[in-house]
Amino acid sequence: IAGITQAPTSQILAAGRRMTLRCTQDMRHNAMYWYRQDLGLGLRLIHYSNTAGTTGKGEVPDGYSVSRANTDDFPLTLASAVPSQTSVYFCASTAGDTGELFFGEGSRLTVL
Amino acid sequence: GQNIDQPTEMTATEGAIVQINCTYQTSGFNGLFWYQQHAGEAPTFLSYNVLDGLEEKGRFSSFLSRSKGYSYLLLKELQMKDSASYLCAVRDSNYQLIWGAGTKLIIKP
Repeated sequence: IAGITQAPTSQILAAGRRMTLRCTQDMRHNAMYWYRQDLGLGLRLIHYSNTAGTTGKGEVPDGYSVSRANTDDFPLTLASAVPSQTSVYFCASTAGDTGELFFGEGSRLTVL
Repeated sequence: GQNIDQPTEMTATEGAIVQINCTYQTSGFNGLFWYQQHAGEAPTFLSYNVLDGLEEKGRFSSFLSRSKGYSYLLLKELQMKDSASYLCAVRDSNYQLIWGAGTKLIIKP
């Protein structure tokens, strides 16, 4: 693994189903983030974690949950998916000095 | 509220120069970032400005004026591979990033 890995790359999901998007980094970055990107809108922060064991809510946290059991992993869970959660989801991390973000390749989620 | 404004789309010619503007209104300021995002790919870091002035990095330069709430990204000697979206983001007083919607740059031969 080099950098940040997200899985799955793409998923079609029925409304009401539970879904977990996985994110793993091998750069030992303390801070990790989940963003969603929708056409015509800027990246919007869903949840973040400044260090293992802590999480915080971003701009659009409703319907999503996260956990940070260790430094490397930061999964995002949709407890009961709704069509408005159709989006491209990006996981990112930063070492924290300049704040440069390193992004995963994204997970395209379609909720029908 | 907090706001980042940048043009939705720009067109330029291969070999030319293009300037992409970004204006911002945020609660505090702790740096401005430019990212490049090719279609279907993740954003990648281009530049970071925290002090006023011009930062040059090869064909790309980024300028910041904190008093005017203004930045621009200057791309010289445009290449077809520069066709992408360019995202402006500002880190506010809480060290949270506020993102613009991005500028789609189309390069024509």
